[in-house]
Amino acid sequence: AQKVTQAQTEISVVEKEDVTLDCVYETRDTTYYLFWYKQPPSGELVFLIRRNSFDEQNEISGRYSWNFQKSTSSFNFTITASQVVDSAVYFCALSEAGSTDGTASKLTFGTGTRLQVTL
Amino acid sequence: DGGITQSPKYLFRKEGQNVTLSCEQNLNHDAMYWYRQDPGQGLRLIYYSQIVNDFQKGDIAEGYSVSREKKESFPLTVTSAQKNPTAFYLCASSTTRLEKRNEQFFGPGTRLTVL
Repeated sequence: AQKVTQAQTEISVVEKEDVTLDCVYETRDTTYYLFWYKQPPSGELVFLIRRNSFDEQNEISGRYSWNFQKSTSSFNFTITASQVVDSAVYFCALSEAGSTDGTASKLTFGTGTRLQVTL
Repeated sequence: DGGITQSPKYLFRKEGQNVTLSCEQNLNHDAMYWYRQDPGQGLRLIYYSQIVNDFQKGDIAEGYSVSREKKESFPLTVTSAQKNPTAFYLCASSTTRLEKRNEQFFGPGTRLTVL
């Protein structure tokens, strides 16, 4: 069975601080995908990134960066110079890659980390 | 604009009543999903559908029912058999093409409260 663990329930930082959100996963699949989603107070989930298990290169997008380490089954997310608008709940998720066209893909979510950025 | 709509945004129900949550998408996606979110918890899969007239149970299907008569629509009925229906419900959709099937797009959600 797949499992995603986000041990940090809530993090509070002051604006401009860097913050890292941890994500540890378990799967027996050799090919899988990892995701990060942002859920602002409005409730809608916003897709941030998808990473294939074969691609261990770190990725940077503006103030966001992701560190994928297969050896430790972790996919951590760092926000550099945090801003008040970054305040949200962040979810890490995992899905199997599958090998058949025409099928759905189920996501397994972590419990989320609530990030509070204050002035 | 392409996207997913859910209605209503807020829904109140008396105990013992069935209620149906709407989900519509115009992304031409074959697959659709229903998730439930409780405070402090992640999303849990209720039902999903890969194609019209087909649907599968997720991890927490008891007390819920769905239908998929049209590609665009995947309504969820919360029945009186669901013991703790108060939650935030999110609908999602995705293509079933292998290279893109993992990218799910989410609607704005419906917050259901049982009085």
